[in-house]
Amino acid sequence: GESVGLHLPTLSVQEGDNSIINCAYSNSASDYFIWYKQESGKGPQFIIDIRSNMDKRQGQRVTVLLNKTVKHLSLQIAATQPGDSAVYFCAENNYGQNFVFGPGTRLSVLP
Amino acid sequence: GAVVSQHPSWVICKSGTSVKIECRSLDFQATTMFWYRQFPKQSLMLMATSNEGSKATYEQGVEKDKFLINHASLTLSTLTVTSAHPEDSSFYICSARLTRNTEAFFGQGTRLTVV
Repeated sequence: GESVGLHLPTLSVQEGDNSIINCAYSNSASDYFIWYKQESGKGPQFIIDIRSNMDKRQGQRVTVLLNKTVKHLSLQIAATQPGDSAVYFCAENNYGQNFVFGPGTRLSVLP
Repeated sequence: GAVVSQHPSWVICKSGTSVKIECRSLDFQATTMFWYRQFPKQSLMLMATSNEGSKATYEQGVEKDKFLINHASLTLSTLTVTSAHPEDSSFYICSARLTRNTEAFFGQGTRLTVV
């Protein structure tokens, strides 16, 4: 389940299950969004992106959904694997300005 | 995808000394590079935006005289932490973009520890 506190929100899922990580973004004018995966001690790694003229985009085992009405972004990971354990950040961008990162969610995959 | 290389990956320095971190775009030219700082269990916080050939734009609360940024070429930006103190210990990450509206590629980060 999810827990929110002083530390990063954590989502624990069973290996093989699907994961859904949510993100609320702040700027209604943001037109480009990216999900990044960050493993411990490493820089963020691009997973998938979506532009504001779309509401869904699929990659390999991942799907990003965008709901502009409520400024919500989600990342779905199918058949979650141990290697998916990491911290996931959403990032929003407004017409080429710098990316603003969300607070992050730690995904923990249970054996 | 494009590669951004950051060096060093970790550094330990004494309080009061300066440390330089390099960020290179290896296979593309980056007009703009970004520097972030990340404390444990927190998100990335933008420190400054570095444009080639011009002065960096710093975010509010970031001391430009303490965090010197130089973007001398389209493939290299450097961040120098001057007169480092233990509270400057953090994970510093750079990123670069191909164009204004494309993804940002990140370096592997630099773990700075000031003792």
